[in-house]
Amino acid sequence: EAGVAQSPRYKIIEKRQSVAFWCNPISGHATLYWYQQILGQGPKLLIQFQNNGVVDDSQLPKDRFSAERLKGVDSTLKIQPAKLEDSAVYLCASSQRQGDTDTQYFGPGTRLTVL
Amino acid sequence: AQKITQTQPGMFVQEKEAVTLDCTYDTSDPSYGLFWYKQPSSGEMIFLIYQGSYDQQNATEGRYSLNFQKARKSANLVISASQLGDSAMYFCAMRGRRGYSTLTFGKGTMLLVSP
Repeated sequence: EAGVAQSPRYKIIEKRQSVAFWCNPISGHATLYWYQQILGQGPKLLIQFQNNGVVDDSQLPKDRFSAERLKGVDSTLKIQPAKLEDSAVYLCASSQRQGDTDTQYFGPGTRLTVL
Repeated sequence: AQKITQTQPGMFVQEKEAVTLDCTYDTSDPSYGLFWYKQPSSGEMIFLIYQGSYDQQNATEGRYSLNFQKARKSANLVISASQLGDSAMYFCAMRGRRGYSTLTFGKGTMLLVSP
């Protein structure tokens, strides 16, 4: 079974530029998550989708970040315009409820550097 | 609000020895789940083990076991017979209410295994 796929793996941009990240979840997983992980910290949830609907985007900086999951499968996270403090690893995860558990499986992440 | 505390920034262990990584949590949810993830230098978050709050027995997965003490609100990870490949960041995380809940992560513990 293929895992969560993300691209690109690395991205370097200048501040005020825009950038987009792509995620393809594990086949059949209805729930998809985007996390931001700043160096030295644990991941922080940005947005959670259930199929193609947003469940939780309370920590998404909506003035510059946007995300979509149009067909309920893959998803895109965009930053426009980027700031220096957006430098982080962006992790995508997916899950499918099985009984009492809802384990999230993560992709390899995209490491973003904003100069 | 949920909170995960990992008080050990770094731990050192010799190969083949056992090591315990500490995790304490705080939640008002009556039902919750606790997870441990491993993050090697490559960046991917790897799921290790899960413990449900109503599980009667401590979870085990191969060399990993979770020492769950509900009254003390602790969920320590025990790695037996450490291997060089165990060197990584380890994150404790908690899921609150069932359904569309999200993970709250601790700050992580860096484990270094020496020959």
